[in-house]
Amino acid sequence: DAGITQSPRHKVTETGTPVTLRCHQTENHRYMYWYRQDPGHGLRLIHYSYGVKDTDKGEVSDGYSVSRSKTEDFLLTLESATSSQTSVYFCAIMSGTDQETQYFGPGTRLLVL
Amino acid sequence: GENVGLHLPTLSVQEGDNSIINCAYSNSASDYFIWYKQESGKGPQFIIDIRSNMDKRQGQRVTVLLNKTVKHLSLQIAATQPGDSAVYFCAENIYGNNRLAFGKGNQVVVIP
Repeated sequence: DAGITQSPRHKVTETGTPVTLRCHQTENHRYMYWYRQDPGHGLRLIHYSYGVKDTDKGEVSDGYSVSRSKTEDFLLTLESATSSQTSVYFCAIMSGTDQETQYFGPGTRLLVL
Repeated sequence: GENVGLHLPTLSVQEGDNSIINCAYSNSASDYFIWYKQESGKGPQFIIDIRSNMDKRQGQRVTVLLNKTVKHLSLQIAATQPGDSAVYFCAENIYGNNRLAFGKGNQVVVIP
């Protein structure tokens, strides 16, 4: 599992409330990623980080923010959750010989009512 | 678990038979490819990868074939087992060494 944990694993929240998802890794990887996965779509990149305090937007970043104050933690925040953000969220790290292979966490299932 | 298999092409295969899963990738400049397996309720799991300077790579019971001429990638699973039932999707490195683009996936159902 590449030493990746995500919390919470399941969450139900109401529209308009803030939500923060946490990704934690234990192997000092530089690159970390947040994806969402929805039926009919492949994994879509929300944001990624290439170091402490270094982040960039992915293809579906609207409505999301991230923070990385230390190497091991990458936080994804929904400032005001909407029903369209109901999804499964996966965190990934990049590893491998040439730093190209991504390994995923177990996912967080989020339901916004 | 998550309904990641909804709307996906489905391959039904008899236990013990070989499976072939196909993927068309989008960018002729991609130079690195990965196959992932995702079981219901779990995160994607790395299976095997291949670089563009190769056309075939073998792992344990799996083989990946790359045809750069037609931008096609395939995953062959030998002697398919019930534990192989999952969604399989490919990924390509388009953006350089820090981002991947993912296919939508194929559902494999193994019939005992």
